[in-house]
Amino acid sequence: NAGVTQTPKFQVLKTGQSMTLQCAQDMNHEYMSWYRQDPGMGLRLIHYSVGAGITDQGEVPNGYNVSRSTTEDFPLRLLSAAPSQTSVYFCASLRGTEAFFGQGTRLTVV
Amino acid sequence: DQQVKQNSPSLSVQEGRISILNCDYTNSMFDYFLWYKKYPAEGPTFLISISSIKDKNEDGRFTVFLNKSAKHLSLHIVPSQPGDSAVYFCAASEASGTYKYIFGTGTRLKVLA
Repeated sequence: NAGVTQTPKFQVLKTGQSMTLQCAQDMNHEYMSWYRQDPGMGLRLIHYSVGAGITDQGEVPNGYNVSRSTTEDFPLRLLSAAPSQTSVYFCASLRGTEAFFGQGTRLTVV
Repeated sequence: DQQVKQNSPSLSVQEGRISILNCDYTNSMFDYFLWYKKYPAEGPTFLISISSIKDKNEDGRFTVFLNKSAKHLSLHIVPSQPGDSAVYFCAASEASGTYKYIFGTGTRLKVLA
């Protein structure tokens, strides 16, 4: 049982590049979300999805796009990376009120 | 504006003693609270939760207390063990059922052997 799998674990991007952070879960959870963790800021919600085809914005959605075509996958897209998006990104899926997090993607934008 | 605050960035406790981690919130609409533990290079893992209809929830060595009038919750770990050394986040959500958790900034606990 893999739980929540995030790829890649590490990524360095140049300013202006685009990329997609992948997130997959095998628990058949309807609810998934993306957070970023920055020093002194805790985890902040970027986008979330309550089921396939349904997404909504969290606290800090600017600069990020998401889609949810299947229950299993919830990719996060950075269209034009900026240094302010340097962070650790966590994907989570929820069973009831308990969130299961992936191991994170450490992204550096130079 | 930080709706969930953990004012102590770090805490050191001797092994076997009690660890008390505190969390304050400002949004009176929050009705469900959780604690997560995070080790370096890993994702957060769920520890314990409490609904606003309760004032205490216990799970083994971990107890969470909720004081709604003070908008304050605390996590007690008794006895503390070196393996408890981690960053602890509290999180809260509103009654909307959207599971939009707001996290605090975390407290780094170090349990000294």
